[in-house]
Amino acid sequence: SQTIHQWPATLVQPVGSPLSLECTVEGTSNPNLYWYRQAAGRGLQLLFYSVGIGQISSEVPQNLSASRPQDRQFILSSKKLLLSDSGFYLCAWKGASSNTGELFFGEGSRLTVL
Amino acid sequence: ILNVEQSPQSLHVQEGDSTNFTCSFPSSNFYALHWYRWETAKSPEALFVMTLNGDEKKKGRISATLNTKEGYSYLYIKGSQPEDSATYLCAFSGGYNKLIFGAGTRLAVHP
Repeated sequence: SQTIHQWPATLVQPVGSPLSLECTVEGTSNPNLYWYRQAAGRGLQLLFYSVGIGQISSEVPQNLSASRPQDRQFILSSKKLLLSDSGFYLCAWKGASSNTGELFFGEGSRLTVL
Repeated sequence: ILNVEQSPQSLHVQEGDSTNFTCSFPSSNFYALHWYRWETAKSPEALFVMTLNGDEKKKGRISATLNTKEGYSYLYIKGSQPEDSATYLCAFSGGYNKLIFGAGTRLAVHP
């Protein structure tokens, strides 16, 4: 069966510090991978998605970047965090050949930038 | 910019009440409409994926309808129970690779 894990679960970082959130998927090959963010009181905002190794689509201009160094690994990064980067980050995957397009989400990472 | 709107933002009901939420989405370039349930301290989980105008889906006491021509979907919960308390998210797909989510409806069911 397929599983998805992301870490760390909780992170408190000072403004200007770097960020790295990792997400890995097991039990499937060539998944589509996604990073979403939920800011306080708001819905899920799509940040990045990837349909293959090294292929990243960015949805919103921002202080963050994403990379996919391996088929089932998706990393969210920042060189210098801003206060506005605080939020709840969710990684998700979808089968590349999935007809329904259903997403499967990780457990989430709560980032607080102070 | 694709906009997915959900209403109400939050809802408090008593156990046994029936309730419904609305999701509105762009009526052009429609591919699929998803509903997810997001319980506290858990990951969002898919309830329904609907692709055809007029689709109706049901899972236990929860059902959903879809109108792609006018761009809306309703989610119904019959006889709400405390375990139905969660945030209900709808998401629009205008293409195969990404979902655009609404802000969600937070449902609290009181015993």
